[in-house]
Amino acid sequence: DQQVKQNSPSLSVQEGRISILNCDYTNSMFDYFLWYKKYPAEGPTFLISISSIKDKNEDGRFTVFLNKSAKHLSLHIVPSQPGDSAVYFCAALGRYSGAGSYQLTFGKGTKLSVIP
Amino acid sequence: EAGVAQSPRYKIIEKRQSVAFWCNPISGHATLYWYQQILGQGPKLLIQFQNNGVVDDSQLPKDRFSAERLKGVDSTLKIQPAKLEDSAVYLCASRTSTDTQYFGPGTRLTVL
Repeated sequence: DQQVKQNSPSLSVQEGRISILNCDYTNSMFDYFLWYKKYPAEGPTFLISISSIKDKNEDGRFTVFLNKSAKHLSLHIVPSQPGDSAVYFCAALGRYSGAGSYQLTFGKGTKLSVIP
Repeated sequence: EAGVAQSPRYKIIEKRQSVAFWCNPISGHATLYWYQQILGQGPKLLIQFQNNGVVDDSQLPKDRFSAERLKGVDSTLKIQPAKLEDSAVYLCASRTSTDTQYFGPGTRLTVL
């Protein structure tokens, strides 16, 4: 049962345009959400997060939006730059049935390619 | 501030052999995690430590996997014996009292 879903395995965007990466979750027990960015041969790097009590969090070119009623969040990158090309993982934090602790659950990732 | 350190970065072994991975978390981070990331998937939690105690090992295949964090700092993850399906990247992460986990570069294990 995949509790965090990133339905787009890949996304291509022109440099300077907006990149929108989407994530859906199924468990209402999740109360904190994070986006990680991963380059090849490196570990995931924390990018931005949002608490379930908010609907938007912004950090420079990156903005995360949360729609709790739809159990959906999105990451907007504007303007997109070639250096943003990486795999982006959505992750949700919470305690849920079957889990022994308050833990992070990841989606499968979306590979973003920003074309110069 | 130094990040999470892991070694080795790459390891190739034959099935049924043993292997061990090492992790040094960010200084002062009491909570340490080991994740397994299979190609095309997101990281999956294997075990969580708080200082030198295990908080959650419910997803650790205990018949072959073991982990320890003896002095509440460094940690080792061992697989004995390895199977083909253990081929993955093993990630270590740590955090303080905040919810953000910081990841190391990972160890890529190939089991032949």
